[in-house]
Amino acid sequence: GNSVTQMEGPVTLSEEAFLTINCTYTATGYPSLFWYVQYPGEGLQLLLKATKADDKGSNKGFEATYRKETTSFHLEKGSVQVSDSAVYFCALSPTGNTPLVFGKGTRLSVIA
Amino acid sequence: DSGVTQTPKHLITATGQRVTLRCSPRSGDLSVYWYQQSLDQGLQFLIQYYNGEERAKGNILERFSAQQFPDLHSELNLSSLELGDSALYFCASSPRTSGRGAQYFGPGTRLLVL
Repeated sequence: GNSVTQMEGPVTLSEEAFLTINCTYTATGYPSLFWYVQYPGEGLQLLLKATKADDKGSNKGFEATYRKETTSFHLEKGSVQVSDSAVYFCALSPTGNTPLVFGKGTRLSVIA
Repeated sequence: DSGVTQTPKHLITATGQRVTLRCSPRSGDLSVYWYQQSLDQGLQFLIQYYNGEERAKGNILERFSAQQFPDLHSELNLSSLELGDSALYFCASSPRTSGRGAQYFGPGTRLLVL
C-alpha cells in the first residue's frame, strides 16, 4: 500500500540554523509528493510540491527534491526563523484527485 | 487564505448528540475531501466526493456520513457522538484537472465532545 514515514519530532533549532526533515515513502507507480505546514491554531497550508522524479519543489526558502531511487522527499531550509515554528507534514498522492496519504507530522520549534 | 471555508470554527456538544460540519470548496474545484486530525491518530482521510458523487471512503465510522450538494458545498454529519470523536475536522478541495493531487485545506472545525 501507500505510506509516508517522516522523522519524529519535536525538532528544536536556533534561529538561522539549517533544517532537514526526512521523509520517505512507499507507493506504487509515480505519486506526487507534498509538504504541508500547519501553524498553531490553523489549517494545513501547501508549502511545496513535486510531481515527478528529480523535480525540486521550493517556496519561502524551503526546498525538497523528489528522489525516486531513494523514495525520499526531504525538506530543507538553509536558515530557519522563529516564524517557521510549526508542524510539517509530508504527503503523497497516488494519482490526481485521490486522497492524500500523510506522514505523522514533525513539530519544529525555532528559538531566538 | 486557501479559498476553502468551513463552519463553524468551534463546536462544543455532548455525548450522544448529532452535529453538522459545513465546507465550501474553492471556486471551480469539484472534489471535496474530509479529514480528521486527532492527537493519537494523526491525519486520517474520511471520505471524498467528486461533483456530487462519493468517490472514495477511508476510515469513516458508520455513525458519520457526508454529502456534496449541487452547488458543490459539502456537509459532514456526525451522530451519536462519543468522547473520542473530539478532534479537528478538515475539509480540502482539489482542482478539476492539473495540480497533480494538490489539495487546499480549510481552517478546520474543532469539535469538543463533553
